Amino acid sequence: SAVISQKPSRDICQRGTSLTIQCQVDSQVTMMFWYRQQPGQSLTLIATANQGSEATYESGFVIDKFPISRPNLTFSTLTVSNMSPEDSSIYLCSVLGLSSGGFETQYFGPGTRLLVL
Amino acid sequence: SQQGEEDPQALSIQEGENATMNCSYKTSINNLQWYRQNSGRGLVHLILIRSNEREKHSGRLRVTLDTSKKSSSLLITASRAADTASYFCATDEETSGSRLTFGEGTQLTVNP
Repeated sequence: SAVISQKPSRDICQRGTSLTIQCQVDSQVTMMFWYRQQPGQSLTLIATANQGSEATYESGFVIDKFPISRPNLTFSTLTVSNMSPEDSSIYLCSVLGLSSGGFETQYFGPGTRLLVL
Repeated sequence: SQQGEEDPQALSIQEGENATMNCSYKTSINNLQWYRQNSGRGLVHLILIRSNEREKHSGRLRVTLDTSKKSSSLLITASRAADTASYFCATDEETSGSRLTFGEGTQLTVNP
């Protein structure tokens, strides 16, 4: 499985500001994903980030609010723009890899815990 | 939108007991996966079961899949305090292009 790191691990931000979260993988991967996990809830997919193309956003998420970069096969960033307290969540990146059985599965980073005041 | 529903939402058991969590989904899938999350950290992949499989084992984990009922169960045998975590099922739908849809999760507490 891939080793994934995220920066920052946590942050406290003021409303109206923006935060860029970085996701670094130790191997080249084609597909990366960004999820949001609001307090006490499950994960919701924000977008799929493929290298060399625009990110594909899920319903309810827009590029102006969550711009994503994918400059190469090992790195991606997610920006949470013009933040409000409702953006307080854990943000997780994941990559598509192969399980021990040889099947595609997603491996997750440790997450970025964001609190917006 | 989330298609997975899990029950129970919360489960509290004693060490040594077995824990069973259930997951239901709504569409046709390629596979179903179970993940564990400790205290709001990253998710750890536990096990994957393909749509043409009915049961799979990995250590103390046993997963079943019933595609006719669109449901799955995760059994943890001989539970330990370290198994305390949230458990999520996630489905890879046939039309999803490798995107996962997560269930609501079960919070498992194993008391020593």
